[in-house]
Amino acid sequence: ETGVTQTPRHLVMGMTNKKSLKCEQHLGHNAMYWYKQSAKKPLELMFVYSLEERVENNSVPSRFSPECPNSSHLFLHLHTLQPEDSALYLCASSQDSYAGGSVAFFGQGTRLTVV
Amino acid sequence: KNEVEQSPQNLTAQEGEFITINCSYSVGISALHWLQQHPGGGIVSLFMLSSGKKKHGRLIATINIQEKHSSLHITASHPRDSAVYICAVVMNTGNQFYFGTGTSLTVIP
Repeated sequence: ETGVTQTPRHLVMGMTNKKSLKCEQHLGHNAMYWYKQSAKKPLELMFVYSLEERVENNSVPSRFSPECPNSSHLFLHLHTLQPEDSALYLCASSQDSYAGGSVAFFGQGTRLTVV
Repeated sequence: KNEVEQSPQNLTAQEGEFITINCSYSVGISALHWLQQHPGGGIVSLFMLSSGKKKHGRLIATINIQEKHSSLHITASHPRDSAVYICAVVMNTGNQFYFGTGTSLTVIP
């Protein structure tokens, strides 16, 4: 148990659906992250929120929309996804952003399948 | 070419063996992380290094900034160490970081 909780653990959605992934941490961390891990590919950083403001977005398609209403919660809203978006989506948090070299705590991930 | 290269990609060891996983990178960095990912996807952050060496239990991580190289060592390996080990580097510009493809370790009883 790392203190970072993701829900749901598994999600199957159609290409026309809208769904949201949720991440929650009560570690008092100031930075939260969304990652995507596709089969046989390195981890990809999608979004970074530091002190509730988005500070990095590595050219992620607009069908992925993050939301960080407060420092403890992070959402990833999904709409009109493609089958190639099927992957493991991981949330992480750290005391400060990675620029500060903080160790990150990861959630268990949401296994997303787009059909 | 990936900015972070790990070797080996796959490793099988007998219980009790000493294991080394290597990570080489080509960019200037401010920090390097070693991560452990278990089957099912959960990731644990093992170490964050900016210089020298760190030890936690049976795990030891070293980094040589001049040679742009880090190693993760596991002493007295155990089947529960079976996982994918991922190296990640934070660029010294602060806003980019890169992940290796991981080393899949299987420890056989």
